[in-house]
Amino acid sequence: EPEVTQTPSHQVTQMGQEVILRCVPISNHLYFYWYRQILGQKVEFLVSFYNNEISEKSEIFDDQFSVERPDGSNFTLKIRSTKLEDSAMYFCASSPNRQGTYEQYFGPGTRLTVT
Amino acid sequence: SQQGEEDPQALSIQEGENATMNCSYKTSINNLQWYRQNSGRGLVHLILIRSNEREKHSGRLRVTLDTSKKSSSLLITASRAADTASYFCATDGIQGAQKLVFGQGTRLTINP
Repeated sequence: EPEVTQTPSHQVTQMGQEVILRCVPISNHLYFYWYRQILGQKVEFLVSFYNNEISEKSEIFDDQFSVERPDGSNFTLKIRSTKLEDSAMYFCASSPNRQGTYEQYFGPGTRLTVT
Repeated sequence: SQQGEEDPQALSIQEGENATMNCSYKTSINNLQWYRQNSGRGLVHLILIRSNEREKHSGRLRVTLDTSKKSSSLLITASRAADTASYFCATDGIQGAQKLVFGQGTRLTINP
């Protein structure tokens, strides 16, 4: 069964460094998302992406964040200058269809630790 | 903004018993989805129920939706130790909003 994959599974970085989190969505899906979950808290929406552009973003997704689909398979989240409070699990998700009902399928997550 | 809120926050039952978790939300929705998360792992999609549906089954899972009360319940029948996980409801809004809004989750423990 096709699934969303994410790399790395765990990333440790120093405050102020740039990180790139990578995701490979399910191949025939059209909509891509990033969410994050700070330890012990809710899963929070960051950004959605369709047709090579951002379709919606949350207040969390400020100028330090960017997303890109550099080729036909990868979807990346870049954090330009990490802060301690960026430490969280970051989940990528994809869905096939916007009209009507759709299900979002999540990857296993990347645990980002900023020291 | 809409929010899913699950209750109880934690539930501990014996293997073989049924587990019921509830979710409430604040604004009109398009769909409501339930996810499972094993400790420190990713989110596994369990079931989606549309706003015009009242009940849906999938294996040992039964989901109900009451849009008049803005609430949903997830019932797991004949629970197993492997069902131990956190369970989240997530809602998406009308107007084709894509983002999911998650609740805090219910931590379910199945005791052997």
